[in-house]
Amino acid sequence: DAGVIQSPRHEVTEMGQEVTLRCKPISGHNSLFWYRQTMMRGLELLIYFNNNVPIDDSGMPEDRFSAKMPNASFSTLKIQPSEPRDSAVYFCASSLTDGNTEAFFGQGTRLTVV
Amino acid sequence: AQSVTQLGSHVSVSEGALVLLRCNYSSSVPPYLFWYVQYPNQGLQLLLKYTTGATLVKGINGFEAEFKKSETSFHLTKPSAHMSDAAEYFCAVARNTGGFKTIFGAGTRLFVKA
Repeated sequence: DAGVIQSPRHEVTEMGQEVTLRCKPISGHNSLFWYRQTMMRGLELLIYFNNNVPIDDSGMPEDRFSAKMPNASFSTLKIQPSEPRDSAVYFCASSLTDGNTEAFFGQGTRLTVV
Repeated sequence: AQSVTQLGSHVSVSEGALVLLRCNYSSSVPPYLFWYVQYPNQGLQLLLKYTTGATLVKGINGFEAEFKKSETSFHLTKPSAHMSDAAEYFCAVARNTGGFKTIFGAGTRLFVKA
């Protein structure tokens, strides 16, 4: 398996623009997570899905952020409108629904909002 | 509620010296515990995990960790540091609550001096 695939790897956008980050989880995994990593706040869980259903979105910072998982092989994280403080590395991870198994991370998307 | 505290945001050791990275957790029920490593510009990858059974767990690259319930700790050790061990290390806790939510510590950056 190719692992968790995220796109794009890097994104530079202007403040106010819409940004969409994409994730393809590992085939067969039924849990998917979006994390944000910054120097100031470390690694924060934004939202996670189980069997395509959002289970906990308490980490989503505000209404400008939204995430979808239309099927088992694809998820998006959208920021609209984007702001400079959204600049961070966004990671997608997937796992089997079992606390015994670890999360497998993608390479991340480095977002810069100018 | 569950949380993870990593003591020391930066740790510096000499090559060949013992590596000790500290992690304490809080959880209302027995958790699953993980250590992940992150190399520059990459996602996180699993070093080792504790679920049940033997409290001393061995991981990749010569690392090991011991689950001590009485101390609510899960410290990571390696007898002899190598230059290639320089990275950021994250302790994480999770439990299955109908979904699987992993919470990460703030991370400890390990520097290895020649």
